[in-house]
Amino acid sequence: GAGVSQSPRYKVAKRGQDVALRCDPISGHVSLFWYQQALGQGPEFLTYFQNEAQLDKSGLPSDRFFAERPEGSVSTLKIQRTQQEDSAVYLCASSLASGGGETQYFGPGTRLLVL
Amino acid sequence: GNSVTQMEGPVTLSEEAFLTINCTYTATGYPSLFWYVQYPGEGLQLLLKATKADDKGSNKGFEATYRKETTSFHLEKGSVQVSDSAVYFCALSEVNTGFQKLVFGTGTRLLVSP
Repeated sequence: GAGVSQSPRYKVAKRGQDVALRCDPISGHVSLFWYQQALGQGPEFLTYFQNEAQLDKSGLPSDRFFAERPEGSVSTLKIQRTQQEDSAVYLCASSLASGGGETQYFGPGTRLLVL
Repeated sequence: GNSVTQMEGPVTLSEEAFLTINCTYTATGYPSLFWYVQYPGEGLQLLLKATKADDKGSNKGFEATYRKETTSFHLEKGSVQVSDSAVYFCALSEVNTGFQKLVFGTGTRLLVSP
């Protein structure tokens, strides 16, 4: 079956613009995660959904970052008034359940460049 | 807080050489441990995992053993191939949050030459 897909794959934004990044998880996966990966670093947790409920948003760096998953499937990460420090690869991952040891399946990422 | 430390790269090896990439962790409770791999131009893929102490994860000739006493999860392979060239990430899941939030190391780039 299809894996996790993300769009767009690349996004160039001018500082101050709003952007929206989309994630299509694997069908039937309950859990959905967003991570931010800066150049040369490992991914860092942003937020977590279990179905449509956002259970943890402790990793969101500021109130300019907002994520939603209204029907428990597709998710959108929105960044308002983008800043240069927002430039990174944004990764989406999904897993079948939420328990410890569950495998997370990652999408290819959206590379965001803020000029 | 929880953290993962892995050796800096790049690690440069000739084909058929033995590989070790060190990974140590700091965590409360008993996390699950993972190695993810990122091939050039591709997304992160799970390579192997271990969910409790003394478990050994293995896949594609790679192995790692969950060592609670040394808080380590070193990745090994007996004979690397050019196709193993990639970035390898060690990670743990924070079980105390009630879900599997992953904490990653900074990654180790492996370069294998013919």
